[in-house]
Amino acid sequence: SSDLTQPPSVSVSPGQTARITCSGDGLPKKYVYWYQQKSGQAPVLVIYEDSKRPSGIPERFSGSSSGTVATLTISGAQVDDDADYYCHSADSSSNYNALFGGGTKLTVL
Amino acid sequence: QVQLVQSGAAVREPGSSVKVSCRSSGYTFTSYDINWVRQAAGQGLEWMGWVNGNSGNGGQARKFQGRVILTRDIGMNTAFMELSGLRPDDTAVYFCARGGGVQNFEFWGQGTQVTVAS
Repeated sequence: SSDLTQPPSVSVSPGQTARITCSGDGLPKKYVYWYQQKSGQAPVLVIYEDSKRPSGIPERFSGSSSGTVATLTISGAQVDDDADYYCHSADSSSNYNALFGGGTKLTVL
Repeated sequence: QVQLVQSGAAVREPGSSVKVSCRSSGYTFTSYDINWVRQAAGQGLEWMGWVNGNSGNGGQARKFQGRVILTRDIGMNTAFMELSGLRPDDTAVYFCARGGGVQNFEFWGQGTQVTVAS
């Protein structure tokens, strides 16, 4: 498949749990990566290989993947988490093409 | 610490070309790959292609085939993205990112604004 689908926006109050989904037919075969991007900045990797957290990323960020849907969960979202989030995977039909989801604007207020 | 430092902003006329550089430090350049991603104003991330830091092989998204050339210079620890046949809709911020193949973009350059206008 050549598409990763994300909801355009998600909104939560501070302290609530935010969940952002990423759907794609090829996801059962490929790892999913998640990036946070704040306005005017380069993206930052927050989850790799479906559920692993890079060094320095707060524990409130977690990831999971089941079938054709991957989910980024932010438990106890903070105002500082207000940003755009993108999922990414390799194309299931090739190891040499990458796909990005359309991005989800997370609003925390 | 790992750093990717990109060249500065560029303004080009339609039909011309642009070459953006991405200098790496803090790791063994030949052990990782460099991917290129662009982002138009207010839009999402768009993957363009990748180059293997060791072999120089790689690939491009179908959309850019024939218009983009991705290279690297091992001695300079630098990757290059050259885009030709520029159009106004190529106006975007271009990022390089260190990956394992086309996965795991753990480190990113700061981005290079390319503006195409007459």
